[in-house]
Amino acid sequence: KAGVTQTPRYLIKTRGQQVTLSCSPISGHRSVSWYQQTPGQGLQFLFEYFSETQRNKGNFPGRFSGRQFSNSRSEMNVSTLELGDSALYLCASSLRTDTSLASYEQYFGPGTRLTVT
Amino acid sequence: EDQVTQSPEALRLQEGESSSLNCSYTVSGLRGLFWYRQDPGKGPEFLFTLYSAGEEKEKERLKATLTKKESFLHITAPKPEDSATYLCAVRGPNTGFQKLVFGTGTRLLVSP
Repeated sequence: KAGVTQTPRYLIKTRGQQVTLSCSPISGHRSVSWYQQTPGQGLQFLFEYFSETQRNKGNFPGRFSGRQFSNSRSEMNVSTLELGDSALYLCASSLRTDTSLASYEQYFGPGTRLTVT
Repeated sequence: EDQVTQSPEALRLQEGESSSLNCSYTVSGLRGLFWYRQDPGKGPEFLFTLYSAGEEKEKERLKATLTKKESFLHITAPKPEDSATYLCAVRGPNTGFQKLVFGTGTRLLVSP
């Protein structure tokens, strides 16, 4: 079974530009979460999508947005890039099947390394 | 607010030298504690989920245990290929949410 795939793997952008990152979850997984990983802050939750709806959002500015398509693929967009947005952006998928309190194991992709100059 | 603290930050072991990594957490109503392994330049790889105090899980040379305040990842007779950063994460009781709060990890280096 193929794992979580993310494209592109590496990206270099200039301050002020915008960027779109893509994530394809494991087949059958309907929940996709996004995390930002930096050396200083570690892994921080951005948002989660389930059934094409954003279910939770972390403490990030509105410049960070996302969406999920009917095939569960997800995209994340960052507008007006800042130097501090340089990070590894990780996508994780899970077998979540409903909005209950149950926990589901999350499986991560390889990430997209974004560098803002 | 949910918090996770991992110690030590870095650990250097000789091959075969067993040790433990610590993950202390503060969360009201734990919904799951997760251990991941991350190699440089890669995404975290899922290892274990623990749900209640007293629970233990094993996989090869790794064994994870859970108490009401902390979790331990015991590494028995480690090999150089066990070198990686080990991450601990918790999930709180937010309804329907899958948000994980991560610690900053323990960098493990196993020398031959």
